[in-house]
Amino acid sequence: GQQLNQSPQSMFIQEGEDVSMNCTSSSIFNTWLWYKQDPGEGPVLLIALYKAGELTSNGRLTAQFGITRKDSFLNISASIPSDVGIYFCAGHSGANSKLTFGKGITLSVRP
Amino acid sequence: NAGVTQTPKFRILKIGQSMTLQCTQDMNHNYMYWYRQDPGMGLKLIYYSVGAGITDKGEVPNGYNVSRSTTEDFPLRLELAAPSQTSVYFCASGQRTYEQYFGPGTRLTVT
Repeated sequence: GQQLNQSPQSMFIQEGEDVSMNCTSSSIFNTWLWYKQDPGEGPVLLIALYKAGELTSNGRLTAQFGITRKDSFLNISASIPSDVGIYFCAGHSGANSKLTFGKGITLSVRP
Repeated sequence: NAGVTQTPKFRILKIGQSMTLQCTQDMNHNYMYWYRQDPGMGLKLIYYSVGAGITDKGEVPNGYNVSRSTTEDFPLRLELAAPSQTSVYFCASGQRTYEQYFGPGTRLTVT
């Protein structure tokens, strides 16, 4: 089946630093999404990307849909303590009603 | 709008007991989903529904059942609880298949 690869499993950064996360796949996706999960909560949709090459921002977050349609990245600039959480990428191929999720990257921000 | 609500928030079951996890959404979304989340494993799809009266299996349906009699409600039933079903369960809904909005989760322990 389709799989999304996110690594490393954990990232540790200093407050104020920028951080970039990748998500790769062996399959093509038509839509890429990035979710954030705060501790003890459900995932929240951060950014959705619909076209290859698309670059979209949401505040300090920027995400891009790779031109091969097999990858996406998320960049967080000037990190703050509330950026702590698990970041999931997800892809939709358009073939059915399901999303494929990566395993997530746990981000820790040191003050 | 309350969004997606789930009850209960926490539950401890004994092996062999049964229970229903409730999920309700007030956004008139057609698509609804049940996921389980185990540490470091991301989100695995249990069942999903594309509309009232229609349900289908996801990646890990064994040991679970669902029904969708109304647009708003999508309960998940565990008939004979097993320790392997200890997990955090998330319900999600969306008007488009590729944008899903998650509830706060139900943390279930089976002992």
